[in-house]
Amino acid sequence: AQSVTQLDSQVPVFEEAPVELRCNYSSSVSVYLFWYVQYPNQGLQLLLKYLSGSTLVKGINGFEAEFNKSQTSFHLRKPSVHISDTAEYFCAVSRPRSASKIIFGSGTRLSIRP
Amino acid sequence: IAGITQAPTSQILAAGRRMTLRCTQDMRHNAMYWYRQDLGLGLRLIHYSNTAGTTGKGEVPDGYSVSRANTDDFPLTLASAVPSQTSVYFCASSDETGGTDTQYFGPGTRLTVL
Repeated sequence: AQSVTQLDSQVPVFEEAPVELRCNYSSSVSVYLFWYVQYPNQGLQLLLKYLSGSTLVKGINGFEAEFNKSQTSFHLRKPSVHISDTAEYFCAVSRPRSASKIIFGSGTRLSIRP
Repeated sequence: IAGITQAPTSQILAAGRRMTLRCTQDMRHNAMYWYRQDLGLGLRLIHYSNTAGTTGKGEVPDGYSVSRANTDDFPLTLASAVPSQTSVYFCASSDETGGTDTQYFGPGTRLTVL
């Protein structure tokens, strides 16, 4: 079975500072990895996903994530954050050919200070 | 294009009452999902449907039922609501069941059971 752990429940950063949101997963089989963002009072939307190929994945709004198989990690990064990035971020893992088995992490709340 | 709509937006319900949360998508996606979101627990899958006419149980199905009579609609029913079902409920859909595609989320229904 897969599982995903987001190590930080909250991450406060100053505007224009870099940020990294951490995500580790466990699985005995190959997996697909996702980052979703949830803005206040909205549903989730996809930031980026890793299916195969290049381990560095670029997403919307300047975010990127790197798949590290040896460390079973999929950390999300942005070099310079904006107030509008204030949101909750969810890492998720799924087994290929099994969309019903997407497992979400508990979320990391990113708060941006001016 | 509306994507996914959910109704109601919010509801306060007395324990023991029956409640149906509605979900409609206009993207002709074959797969649909119901999640509940609770603080510190992320999203947990309640039920899913890979195609019209079929449904499956997710991680937390007890106390909930679903039906999928057609492609567009995927209602979630609480037969006899209990306070532990107080949560935010999200409906989602995806274009395939291979675990590779993006899940699109509705805006959510905030349910309070007293």
